[in-house]
Amino acid sequence: AQTVTQSQPEMSVQEAETVTLSCTYDTSENNYYLFWYKQPPSRQMILVIRQEAYKQQNATENRFSVNFQKAAKSFSLKISDSQLGDTAMYFCAFMKGYTGTASKLTFGTGTRLQVTL
Amino acid sequence: NAGVTQTPKFQVLKTGQSMTLQCAQDMNHEYMSWYRQDPGMGLRLIHYSVGAGITDQGEVPNGYNVSRSTTEDFPLRLLSAAPSQTSVYFCASSSSGAGGPFYEQYFGPGTRLTVT
Repeated sequence: AQTVTQSQPEMSVQEAETVTLSCTYDTSENNYYLFWYKQPPSRQMILVIRQEAYKQQNATENRFSVNFQKAAKSFSLKISDSQLGDTAMYFCAFMKGYTGTASKLTFGTGTRLQVTL
Repeated sequence: NAGVTQTPKFQVLKTGQSMTLQCAQDMNHEYMSWYRQDPGMGLRLIHYSVGAGITDQGEVPNGYNVSRSTTEDFPLRLLSAAPSQTSVYFCASSSSGAGGPFYEQYFGPGTRLTVT
């Protein structure tokens, strides 16, 4: 079974600064996907960024980027130029990369990020 | 295109009552799932489906039933509600590739259920 660990329950960052959220995972699979989801107070789950395990290049989406270390099983999220709208709960998630597993995500416990003025 | 819709948004039940949480998607996605979110525990998979007529258990299936008679709908049934089922429930759908980014999960807005 897969496990996903987010060791930072809460973090705070000032507006315009950079913050990194940590995520580690444990799996014996070689083909998988990793995700970061954002959950603002509205409760809606929003996909932030996705990384395919077979890709060595780290994924980036505007101000969001990841540091994917496959051997260390680490998948951290860096948010640059933090904005007040980034205040949310952030979840790291794992999915096996085989047909039929697209509906099965394993989530971490989340990191609550507060962006302050 | 409404995406993934869930009804109701809020529900209060008494212990022992039954109810069905509704989930529908209009994206012709093959895969659908139900998760529950509890404080400090992230989201956990209850049941999932890889297509109409095919369902399977996730991590925390006890106390819940599902069926998938159509591609669009994936209802979650609580047969005899218990206080331990107080949670926020999310439905999600995804595609194997056609019609959107490969394996991206689309989540509904959630249902907050309280069992007293």
